[in-house]
Amino acid sequence: AQSVTQLDSQVPVFEEAPVELRCNYSSSVSVYLFWYVQYPNQGLQLLLKYLSGSTLVKGINGFEAEFNKSQTSFHLRKPSVHISDTAEYFCAVSPATGGSNYKLTFGKGTLLTVNP
Amino acid sequence: NAGVMQNPRHLVRRRGQEARLRCSPMKGHSHVYWYRQLPEEGLKFMVYLQKENIIDESGMPKERFSAEFPKEGPSILRIQQVVRGDSAAYFCASSPLLGAGANVLTFGAGSRLTVL
Repeated sequence: AQSVTQLDSQVPVFEEAPVELRCNYSSSVSVYLFWYVQYPNQGLQLLLKYLSGSTLVKGINGFEAEFNKSQTSFHLRKPSVHISDTAEYFCAVSPATGGSNYKLTFGKGTLLTVNP
Repeated sequence: NAGVMQNPRHLVRRRGQEARLRCSPMKGHSHVYWYRQLPEEGLKFMVYLQKENIIDESGMPKERFSAEFPKEGPSILRIQQVVRGDSAAYFCASSPLLGAGANVLTFGAGSRLTVL
């Protein structure tokens, strides 16, 4: 079984400031890792994913995340945020083995609010 | 290319009524998944379907809930005799034919069920 903890339920920042959204997970098996974003009244959109290889993953809209296996973390970062980045961000994991990689386990989400 | 389409977006039911939520997967996707997000919780897996087959329903409540994905038409999540605890956002996701490696899900905007 897996679990995901998003440490901050809300993160307010000013426009053009850097931001880090934290995500920690626990799992007894190796995992794939994902960040999804949900803009108001829209579906979840995949921002980026870690499947294997380089631990630094770049996604859409200037976001990146780094997989840290020893700390079981997958924090999301952006060096300079824009008003349009205001949304809810979800971290998720799925098992990389056992044939059930469609079973994502999600965190509770972090609401990022970018203020002018 | 339309994404995953869910309707209705909002549904209000009184206790004891039935709720039907519909999901049309992305074009070319043959796998459908339903997830539920209870208030203050992350999304949780409910069921995985292919056309005319339920592949994994390990996340479905044992009673009152059912899902289908017929040969023609959308996938349906049906909740009979709804109770207040069924109030939640129900998300549908789809993916293409599974191959080796990770299975990346595309999510719809969700259907928000409110039970009075």
